[in-house]
Amino acid sequence: DAGVIQSPRHEVTEMGQEVTLRCKPISGHNSLFWYRQTMMRGLELLIYFNNNVPIDDSGMPEDRFSAKMPNASFSTLKIQPSEPRDSAVYFCASSLGQQNSPLHFGNGTRLTVT
Amino acid sequence: AQSVSQHNHHVILSEAASLELGCNYSYGGTVNLFWYVQYPGQHLQLLLKYFSGDPLVKGIKGFEAEFIKSKFSFNLRKPSVQWSDTAEYFCAVILYNQGGKLIFGQGTELSVKP
Repeated sequence: DAGVIQSPRHEVTEMGQEVTLRCKPISGHNSLFWYRQTMMRGLELLIYFNNNVPIDDSGMPEDRFSAKMPNASFSTLKIQPSEPRDSAVYFCASSLGQQNSPLHFGNGTRLTVT
Repeated sequence: AQSVSQHNHHVILSEAASLELGCNYSYGGTVNLFWYVQYPGQHLQLLLKYFSGDPLVKGIKGFEAEFIKSKFSFNLRKPSVQWSDTAEYFCAVILYNQGGKLIFGQGTELSVKP
């Protein structure tokens, strides 16, 4: 099992540019989560999907952020336009979607917006 | 709103010292509880979990945690820490009927001096 795969591992971009983060969940998992980690705010849940459907996007900070899950094996988190305060590590996680299913995390994407 | 509180932001211990990290959650219903560990530069990994049954659960690497329902607590313990335990530790809660949504505490950074 390859685990949750995220790309890229690192992204450096200039303010105003569009950024797309990618995630491939573990095969067979039907829930997918996007988290953001910063020193100031810790781990924040941005959005999560169940069976490819967004269930709760209340953590998405602004309209600049959007996430999609076109199929069970792929999800994207897009920031357009990016701002320096978006700099963080973005983690994708997946689970079987049941109440007692632990989340399995990817290695994260470290985003730096200059 | 439901929340998870970790009492200590940064804990510094010497090797062989005993460890206890506090975690409290605010939710009156049924919960599933987790501790995750994040080693420097790595992603989050599951340390242990509680779903039901014996409130004292044992995880990997000699860690254990005790669920005390009356205190809404799930403290993490280890009798004797090692330098390799240096990491950040996150308590997390899944609320029943929330589709597997995992809420994290702010994290506790543990530094173990050799």
